[in-house]
Amino acid sequence: EIVLTQSPGTLSLSPGERATLSCRASQSVTSRYLAWYQQKPGQAPRLLIYGASSRATGIPDRFSGSESGTDFTLTISRLEPEDFAVYYCQQYRTSPFTFGPGTKVDIK
Amino acid sequence: EVQLLESGGGLVQPGGSLRLSCATSGFTFSTYPMTWVRQAPGKGLEWVSVISGSSDFTYYADSVKGRFTISRDNSKNTLSLQMNNLRAEDTALYYCATSEDCTSPSCFLWYWGQGTLVTVSS
Repeated sequence: EIVLTQSPGTLSLSPGERATLSCRASQSVTSRYLAWYQQKPGQAPRLLIYGASSRATGIPDRFSGSESGTDFTLTISRLEPEDFAVYYCQQYRTSPFTFGPGTKVDIK
Repeated sequence: EVQLLESGGGLVQPGGSLRLSCATSGFTFSTYPMTWVRQAPGKGLEWVSVISGSSDFTYYADSVKGRFTISRDNSKNTLSLQMNNLRAEDTALYYCATSEDCTSPSCFLWYWGQGTLVTVSS
């Protein structure tokens, strides 16, 4: 099973600041089979990024994803009030298609 | 517009069974894999199971293997999850999810339902 580790667990930032979220895989996630989701309280998750760096339709360009080996990064260039939420990474290369434990981005 | 609507959740005793359903519309159901994801109260997302469009392939998380069975009825555009021998740790909000972008089970999840709550307690 591929284990995903996300860091930090909580990120406290102010609106307008840059957020950098990390997701590390225990094994190679080939062909960039890595997605990022945003979840707000009481809501279903929303797909942000797939294929490590492709934005889903309707996702603002302040969200970007990148990859370096088994390390993946979600960057929010300038935090908007609606961006404060929990973010999960997921690998869909090998079953079970595991999620990371999440990073909560909260208001400082 | 793609719509996913889960149902069938409720309170069940440990060792009991429950069958969840996910009614779908707005896309060619039989073409795409369907996934169940769950979320225990106050916890993160846990991938549970996926089934291919033609039901040729099914995969399960180790935590549910042998107890849960995923299935689909392409004539009714409906996904199901039969859950047997339920445990307290199965208590969660269960989401069905899919994507129109891949026909392989190895796919991200673009569309999500709102979930159905399963509570396992005596």
